This record gives sequence, C-alpha cells and structure tokens, in this order.
Amino acid sequence: DIQMTQSPSTLSASVGDRITITCRASQSLSRWLAWYQQKPGKAPKLLIYKASSLETGVPSRFSGSGSGTEFTLTISSLQPDDSATYYCQQYDTYPYTFGQGTKLEIK
Amino acid sequence: QVQLQESGPGLVKPSETLSLTCTVSGYSISSGYYWGWIRQPPGKGLEWIGTIYHSGNTFYNPSLKSRLTISVDTSKNQFSLNLSSVTAADTAVYYCARQGGNAFDIWGQGTMVTVSS
Repeated sequence: DIQMTQSPSTLSASVGDRITITCRASQSLSRWLAWYQQKPGKAPKLLIYKASSLETGVPSRFSGSGSGTEFTLTISSLQPDDSATYYCQQYDTYPYTFGQGTKLEIK
Repeated sequence: QVQLQESGPGLVKPSETLSLTCTVSGYSISSGYYWGWIRQPPGKGLEWIGTIYHSGNTFYNPSLKSRLTISVDTSKNQFSLNLSSVTAADTAVYYCARQGGNAFDIWGQGTMVTVSS
C-alpha cells in the first residue's frame, strides 16, 4: 500500500496568513493526488484534484502543487471559514489511501 | 444536481453483517463513473473501503476484502455495501461517494454505524 504522511498534524494561524500543508507519498504518484477539507460532523469536500486542479466553486485562495512523492496545499490568505481538518489522498493505485489529516485552527 | 444518500441500520451486533445502500439522484449510475465507500471511525481519519463500476467491476481494500461485498443495482440507481463478521473496530461513519478522474468529487452526508450488542 502507498503510505501518505501529512505534516504538520496540527496548525494554528491567523486570519490573512499564508499556510502550507505537506503530503508525502511512500512511492511516486505522478499527479493523482487530491486534497479534501472536512468540518466537524460533515462529509469531506474536494478542494484540489490531480495535484493542482481547483475543484469548481472552491475559492482561489486554495492551491495545490507537487508531483512524484511530495505535494503541498497552500491557503494564500486564511479566512475564518477555513478552520477544518485537511486530508490528502492518493488515487494512483488501489488501495486508495489518505493522509492522517491536518487540523487547522484559526487564532 | 447529483446527490448521494446513505441508508441502513445505525446499530449492528458483533459478528453480524453491516449492510448499507447508497441512492444516487440527479445522475444515472449506468452512464459511468465509479462509485465508492469510505469510512471514518470516531475521531479518526478516512479509510477507503472499496469501489464499484456500473458494470459491476469491484476494487476492495485488502484489509477488508475477506468480509466485503459491494454491489450495484442500476435499475434502482443504487449501490450497496455488505461487511460481514463485524466487530467494534467497524464502528464508523460510512460515506458513499462518486469517484472519477477528479477523485471523490461528490459525497453523501454519511451515516453512523455502531457495532454493539
């Protein structure tokens, strides 16, 4: 199985800050990497697919980059609504696997 | 718009079979896409369970494969999950989702299933 490791596990930042979450894969994925946002009691929401493509309706302050084994999710200017847990997921190879999550707190 | 809705018992006894159905509206399963199940134990991360194509081709998580069956009923526009011999470790919120080249782009709201006697 491809192991996905996210860092950091928790992150605290202020409104307006630029933050980056990293996801590392145990083997190359090409660009089959997605990012999701999950708020308490809600289903995950797709933000980014194919490593850097922004899902329709997602604010442009979210961006993704990377290829191979290292990927990043960047939020350019944090908003209060961005408080959530963020997950990366590889869909290059079955079994699909998720990172352990990054909990983002807005100060 | 496309919507997915999970349904099934919220409480299952240990050693019994967990059965859930996902009803798709706004899109015909027969038209394409893959359809998946994902679960999330309380306070923990996401785990992919398995995926089915409208033709019936399935892909299962090896960790669950021996207990898992995913099926599709195109006439009802539904796909289903059966997980046998459940234990407390199978307690989780179970999500169904549409899977395409854009990963899991549409999710159901999720349904909590507790395994307890």
